[in-house]
Amino acid sequence: EVQLQQYGAELGKPGTSVKLSCKVSGYNIRSTYMHWVNQRPGKGLEWIGRIDPANGNTIYAEKFKSKATLTADTSSNTAYMQLSQLKSDDTAIYFCAMGRALAYWGQGTLVTVSS
Amino acid sequence: DIQMTQSPSFLSASVGDRVTINCKASQNINKYLDWYQQKLGEAPKLLIYNTNSLHTGIPSRFSGSGSGTDFTLTISSLQPEDVATYFCLQHNSGTWTFGGGTKLELK
Repeated sequence: EVQLQQYGAELGKPGTSVKLSCKVSGYNIRSTYMHWVNQRPGKGLEWIGRIDPANGNTIYAEKFKSKATLTADTSSNTAYMQLSQLKSDDTAIYFCAMGRALAYWGQGTLVTVSS
Repeated sequence: DIQMTQSPSFLSASVGDRVTINCKASQNINKYLDWYQQKLGEAPKLLIYNTNSLHTGIPSRFSGSGSGTDFTLTISSLQPEDVATYFCLQHNSGTWTFGGGTKLELK
């Protein structure tokens, strides 16, 4: 069974960074894309970007190019996303998802930006 | 980036109704359009990929159609468990873009 495990919540202060993790079991991430998606409170879904863990190639949505950095560790089968220069507007649930069509999803990490 | 316009934003229907949700792309995306269902407090779930392919385990009352720039998700006979928000997602251009979502409620 494929599972994507994310931590429940992270708290970050304005101006700092936070690094989220997504550990995959049941599938080798070298064989797929890993995506990150956010959802601000009461809002829709936004695609942030994706990484090809086999070669580290990344693609970002234009608005997240200076906000998010995607990496992956194939030895631990884990994808990561670092969010930098946190602002209150970055408060959201951040999901990881897998595949070209996003067939498998983590349960999401709630990032709260507050001083 | 390609823009996706989804309509309607809100939909109220009765059990047994046929329901359609639309997505329009700002440019040709060929067949690379997926549909997702998100229930309150849950992660989204893939329903349909590449316009009309039903994902594993999804009931056959869900179907997709379209090509180019105009796409439709159809629920042939609405069930109470279909209350959710539905999103389209394009992945033709090397980037992925979601539609704004359609909140479906029971009348």
